[in-house]
Parts: sequence; C-alpha cells; structure tokens
Amino acid sequence: SQKIEQNSEALNIQEGKTATLTCNYTNYSPAYLQWYRQDPGRGPVFLLLIRENEKEKRKERLKVTFDTTLKQSLFHITASQPADSATYLCALALSGTYKYIFGTGTRLKVLA
Amino acid sequence: SQTIHQWPATLVQPVGSPLSLECTVEGTSNPNLYWYRQAAGRGLQLLFYSVGIGQISSEVPQNLSASRPQDRQFILSSKKLLLSDSGFYLCAWMTSGRASEQFFGPGTRLTVL
Repeated sequence: SQKIEQNSEALNIQEGKTATLTCNYTNYSPAYLQWYRQDPGRGPVFLLLIRENEKEKRKERLKVTFDTTLKQSLFHITASQPADSATYLCALALSGTYKYIFGTGTRLKVLA
Repeated sequence: SQTIHQWPATLVQPVGSPLSLECTVEGTSNPNLYWYRQAAGRGLQLLFYSVGIGQISSEVPQNLSASRPQDRQFILSSKKLLLSDSGFYLCAWMTSGRASEQFFGPGTRLTVL
C-alpha cells in the first residue's frame, strides 16, 4: 500500500541546535517533494521544493535532502530558534498528476 | 499580488444539514485549485482538485462534492453533513503547468454536532 510517514511524535530541541525531520514514503513515484510549515489554526506555508533529480536544496537556515532510492527526505533547520516551533509537513507531488499527498506532520518545539 | 479567500472562518452545523464553503483566488488566472480536510492533529487529506472550470477530480468518495463555476472560484458542498465531516477545511491554489508551491487559504473550522 502507499504510505507517507513523518516522525509521529513531537520533537523537542534546544535553541541553537539543528533540528532534523524525516519524511519516508512507499509505493509512490514523486516528481518532487515539498516542505511546509503550519502554525496552529492556520493554513500551511510553503518552505522548500526539491525535485527527484536533486539531492539537496538550501534556503537560509533550511536544508532539504531527497533520496529516491531510500524513498526519504530529510529537513534540517540549523541554529534553531523558538520561533521555529511549529508543525512541519512534507508533501509529495505525484508524477503525471496534479495531486499532492501530505504526511501527517511533525510538531517541532524549540526550547529557549 | 495573489490572495486567496475562504469563508466562513468557523461554522457549526447540525448533522444532516447542507454545507457550502467558498474559496476565491485573486491576482492569478487558470490556477489549479484544491480542497483539503485536516482532522485534529492529523495531516492534510486531499478531497478534490481542479485544473479548470468545470473540471473536478475527486479523491475521496463520500458525501462531499465540489464545483468550479468560475476560473478563480472553488466551492465545497454537501447535501447532508455527517459527524465525521468535522474538521479544518483548507483551500489551496497553485500555478498550473509547472512544479511550484501551493498557497493555502486561512481555512474553515467546521464542527458538526
């Protein structure tokens, strides 16, 4: 069956450390993968997009990797800050379609 | 610049009542449009998407339906709500034809009692 999974438990880290979030999928062929941030009661906000032929993407303190062999994406926030506390969602854009499949999200809490 | 509107922001409806949620986009043309539902503490479930006026793809067979009467208007409806329809409903748009991000609306919190 097709699945997309993220760390199901909340992730607590100390301010200044690097947060690493995981997104694993099975039986999908994504054209690209995206990461979103969602704050309570709000819609998700786009952060990064990485294509199937790209290994790594960076934007300021954010880094995403994409391994289509392992069927996994890692999302890193370096020098984390309390303001980074939110739920982070990964989303697969399926090849040949306009469909997106979202993971369940990982709640990150950065402790001051 | 582009903006996306959803209304109402919150809604409390009795079981068996009808539903109509509206989403409109400004500042772009021919967008792909999406309806998602998010249950408490869960991820987003794709309900419907549309690549053009009158073109609707349904992902989840249930008592909901969607329509796109105009290029930048997307409507989610139900004739009879169920308790399980409660959730946070999100509309999103993206530029058609290329890999790009989705832009989400503020959402509608629906409680069915």
